[in-house]
Amino acid sequence: EAGVTQSPTHLIKTRGQQATLRCSPISGHTSVYWYQQALGLGLQFLLWYDEGEERNRGNFPPRFSGRQFPNYSSELNVNALELEDSALYLCASSLGLAGDNEQFFGPGTRLTVL
Amino acid sequence: GQQVMQIPQYQHVQEGEDFTTYCNSSTTLSNIQWYKQRPGGHPVFLIQLVKSGEVKKQKRLTFQFGEAKKNSSLHITATQTTDVGTYFCAGPYGGATNKLIFGTGTLLAVQP
Repeated sequence: EAGVTQSPTHLIKTRGQQATLRCSPISGHTSVYWYQQALGLGLQFLLWYDEGEERNRGNFPPRFSGRQFPNYSSELNVNALELEDSALYLCASSLGLAGDNEQFFGPGTRLTVL
Repeated sequence: GQQVMQIPQYQHVQEGEDFTTYCNSSTTLSNIQWYKQRPGGHPVFLIQLVKSGEVKKQKRLTFQFGEAKKNSSLHITATQTTDVGTYFCAGPYGGATNKLIFGTGTLLAVQP
């Protein structure tokens, strides 16, 4: 069974640009979660998508947005990039709600903003 | 808001020594999960504890959920170099189960 996949592996952008990150969950998982992990820090919850809808978001500005497609894959968009957006962005999927079920993480996208 | 703190932030041990990380939540948790992230890797699920006072073992790892369901611990007996990584606890936010709040993590370094 294929795990959670993310692309690209690395992404380099300049301040003010837009970044698009992609995630494909494990087959059969309908929930996708996005996390930001800045260097040396913990995981900060960004967004939760389920059945194509945004269900919840963390304490991040509106320039962090995304969507979930009918095949349950997801896209995270970060507009007007700032230097502090440099981080590892992790996508996770689960069979049910995150609080009740194991989350399977992808390898992440390392975003660098210059 | 809800916070999940872990101590210590960093621990350096000699191979063969024991290791413990503690997780404390500002609110009661319905359950707690533990994850391990190897250097350069992504978090991998280790275990979930649900019951008050629950203790679970996985080989050299022992996980405990506090009686008040506000704290948890992970103890590793006789550490090995393969135990190196950051250990995170995580609990449901605000009583709902739609997202996890991750602890601050404990980085374990094991010297051979």
